[in-house]
Amino acid sequence: DAKTTQPTSMDCAEGRAANLPCNHSTISGNEYVYWYRQIHSQGPQYIIHGLKNNETNEMASLIITEDRKSSTLILPHATLRDTAVYYCIVASGGTSYGKLTFGQGTILTVHP
Amino acid sequence: EPEVTQTPSHQVTQMGQEVILRCVPISNHLYFYWYRQILGQKVEFLVSFYNNEISEKSEIFDDQFSVERPDGSNFTLKIRSTKLEDSAMYFCASSVRGDYGYTFGSGTRLTVV
Repeated sequence: DAKTTQPTSMDCAEGRAANLPCNHSTISGNEYVYWYRQIHSQGPQYIIHGLKNNETNEMASLIITEDRKSSTLILPHATLRDTAVYYCIVASGGTSYGKLTFGQGTILTVHP
Repeated sequence: EPEVTQTPSHQVTQMGQEVILRCVPISNHLYFYWYRQILGQKVEFLVSFYNNEISEKSEIFDDQFSVERPDGSNFTLKIRSTKLEDSAMYFCASSVRGDYGYTFGSGTRLTVV
């Protein structure tokens, strides 16, 4: 699976958009980009995933560049409860049966 | 919203003892996983399970570990002879299919003394 690079930490003001970048320059054609978060040692929580098109759900938006070498997770109106470690993971579907390789992630701190 | 349920939430065991960690995945999910996280470290993949057999396992998942789906609802992780270094949070996860988002449980904190 392709490796990802994320900033170690980011800050965001409550109510503002949080934009979390991720580089995955070695991504291959059948690999998806997944985003998870982990709040204070709880189980990781799935946020969103995509292959090449931008995606949006009730939690966030995922913007994937045309060359698929990087992506940005957008939390449109961050709240204090969004303070967590955010993981960008690249994984192939199908034959890998869903193994996820977690990195260190980005510690997002949302300030009042 | 459907949940993955793990029991117990915290287990303390003596070194050398066997432990069984239990998980109830979401009912219509077909793929099951165990991950662990040693305090302050990354979340690590242990094993994936599909169609009643292990589909992939990591180097961590040695002969001391086993998984089982004894009935239609439970998914268990057994550690035969626990070591101090097995102390960690163990997370169970399940997914509808292997290329979709996974739902993790809240974890079992295993402490080996």
